[in-house]
Amino acid sequence: DIQMTQSPSSLSASVGDRVTITCRASQSISSWLAWYQQKPGKAPKLLIYKASTLESGVPSRFSGSGSGTEFTLTISSLQPDDFATYYCQQYHSFWTFGQGTKVEIK
Amino acid sequence: EVQLVESGGGSVQPGGSLRLSCVASGFSFSTHEVNWVRQAPGKGLEWLSYISGGGETMYYADSVRGRFTISRDNAQNSLFLQMNSLRVEDTAVYFCARIGGSAGTFDIWGQGTMVTVPS
Repeated sequence: DIQMTQSPSSLSASVGDRVTITCRASQSISSWLAWYQQKPGKAPKLLIYKASTLESGVPSRFSGSGSGTEFTLTISSLQPDDFATYYCQQYHSFWTFGQGTKVEIK
Repeated sequence: EVQLVESGGGSVQPGGSLRLSCVASGFSFSTHEVNWVRQAPGKGLEWLSYISGGGETMYYADSVRGRFTISRDNAQNSLFLQMNSLRVEDTAVYFCARIGGSAGTFDIWGQGTMVTVPS
């Protein structure tokens, strides 16, 4: 099974900050990596797929990069609506999620 | 509007059974693969099961294989999860999620339905 490890588990940031979240796969997954945003009591929302392709309607301040085993999600300028938990997911072999990164207000 | 709506959650004693449903609307259900994903209270997301568009192929996570069964009725635009031999650790919100053609992964999610197996 492919394991996904996100870091950090949580972070505190201010509006306007640049935020980077890292996701590492236990083996190469090429670019079969997605990022989701989840707010309390809501379903996850797809932000990025194939490591760097922005889902339709997602603001351009979100970007993704990486391939193989190392990936990053970057929010270029954090907005109030972005405080949430973010999950990476591999879909190279079945589907596995990272443990999540909670982005909180500093 | 493209959407998925789950139902069927509730409280069931350990060892009991429950059947979840997910009704799709706003898209051609039979042409999409769909999945079940769960989230235990305060925890992360766990993929459980997959079914192909025509229903011929199914996959399961080790944690539910042999206890849960995924199925679909394309005539009714519906996805199901039959859950047997339920355990305390199955307590979670259960989501259905569509695999999008462009994304290749879960692009549309339902709102979730809560299943509680009390200790």
